[in-house]
Amino acid sequence: GESVGLHLPTLSVQEGDNSIINCAYSNSASDYFIWYKQESGKGPQFIIDIRSNMDKRQGQRVTVLLNKTVKHLSLQIAATQPGDSAVYFCAETDNGATNKLIFGTGTLLAVQP
Amino acid sequence: DTAVSQTPKYLVTQMGNDKSIKCEQNLGHDTMYWYKQDSKKFLKIMFSYNNKELIINETVPNRFSPKSPDKAHLNLHINSLELGDSAVYFCASSRQGATGNTIYFGEGSWLTVV
Repeated sequence: GESVGLHLPTLSVQEGDNSIINCAYSNSASDYFIWYKQESGKGPQFIIDIRSNMDKRQGQRVTVLLNKTVKHLSLQIAATQPGDSAVYFCAETDNGATNKLIFGTGTLLAVQP
Repeated sequence: DTAVSQTPKYLVTQMGNDKSIKCEQNLGHDTMYWYKQDSKKFLKIMFSYNNKELIINETVPNRFSPKSPDKAHLNLHINSLELGDSAVYFCASSRQGATGNTIYFGEGSWLTVV
């Protein structure tokens, strides 16, 4: 069945460094991927998305890379700040009749001052 | 202004009780969702409604009954609460369908069943 998973459940980085959060997905039919950020006590917040016809998309300080050959997704955060500390989720749509969003297990990003 | 708002934020109740969580979105979206997040932070969809019509029901026990009086509201009613229902419940909304449309989440409702 479909599944989305993360390689690293916890990532600790120094403030100012770049962060890379990885995600593997198994459904090769998925055509839309999203990264969400969830701060403590809050709901998931959209960061950036990418369609399967792209391999890279950039936002403000964030970049998402998609490698469809190995079904891998990554989120790069430049110059990581304390405010980036949160749980990050990748998600994919199942591209089926119900068009639902399937979330990965989440990675905790801890930014050290 | 809160785009997706849900109430209550915190709810502590005893086993066997019936409770409801309300959700409203002011984004003009057609589709609304309920997600459940367990203690390990795993987020899983429960229900999805499009223009008041149920389109996703993810093998959720029938003690959970969503109600959509109009496309801006999707309430979640839970009967005979069990300890395992303790979780954070997130309401969300998007334009029609999840593909290519950003899903906006509410702040969550922390349900504790004792």
